[in-house]
Amino acid sequence: DAGVIQSPRHEVTEMGQEVTLRCKLISGHNSLFWYRQTMMRGLELLIYFNNNVPIDDSGMPEDRFSAKMPNASFSTLKIQPSEPRDSAVYFCASSPYRMYGYTFGSGTRLTVV
Amino acid sequence: GENVEQHPSTLSVQEGDSAVIKCTYSDSASNYFPWYKQELGKRPQLIIDIRSNVGEKKDQRIAVTLNKTAKHFSLHITETQPEDSAVYFCAASPGGNQFYFGTGTSLTVIP
Repeated sequence: DAGVIQSPRHEVTEMGQEVTLRCKLISGHNSLFWYRQTMMRGLELLIYFNNNVPIDDSGMPEDRFSAKMPNASFSTLKIQPSEPRDSAVYFCASSPYRMYGYTFGSGTRLTVV
Repeated sequence: GENVEQHPSTLSVQEGDSAVIKCTYSDSASNYFPWYKQELGKRPQLIIDIRSNVGEKKDQRIAVTLNKTAKHFSLHITETQPEDSAVYFCAASPGGNQFYFGTGTSLTVIP
């Protein structure tokens, strides 16, 4: 099993541009979580899905952020338009539904200039 | 919602000494407490966890204790080694799969 796969690993973009981060879940996992990590705020949960359905998106900073899960194994996090304060490492994690233990992806380091 | 506090934020120990990281939580419904280790530039990885029906769990040099009455839990690392240097996160889960993370402890083991 290749684990949770995120792409790209690094993204540098200009302010105002659209950014799309991608995540492939571990086969058989039903829950998907998007986290943002910064020095100031630590690990913040942005949104999570169970069986492709968004359960809690209260952590999404604002309407510029959106997340989708078009199928059971894949998710995207989109920022449009991006701003410098969005610069962070974005992790996705997956787990079997209603069981314990996350597996994190390698993260995407986003820099908005 | 749940609120998890973690102390200290930084910790330096001499190689071979023990390290202790403490966390408190607010929601008495929380019943699962994992600990993650994050090395520089890498993903957080689960190193040990404990459920609310257990008071202590040990895995080689790592142990976790839980005091449900006081709502706190701790990570203990014995005989520390330089490769233990990392950021450690505690978390609490009141059910389902939603975790609430502490703010992290940066551990440095000095050779």
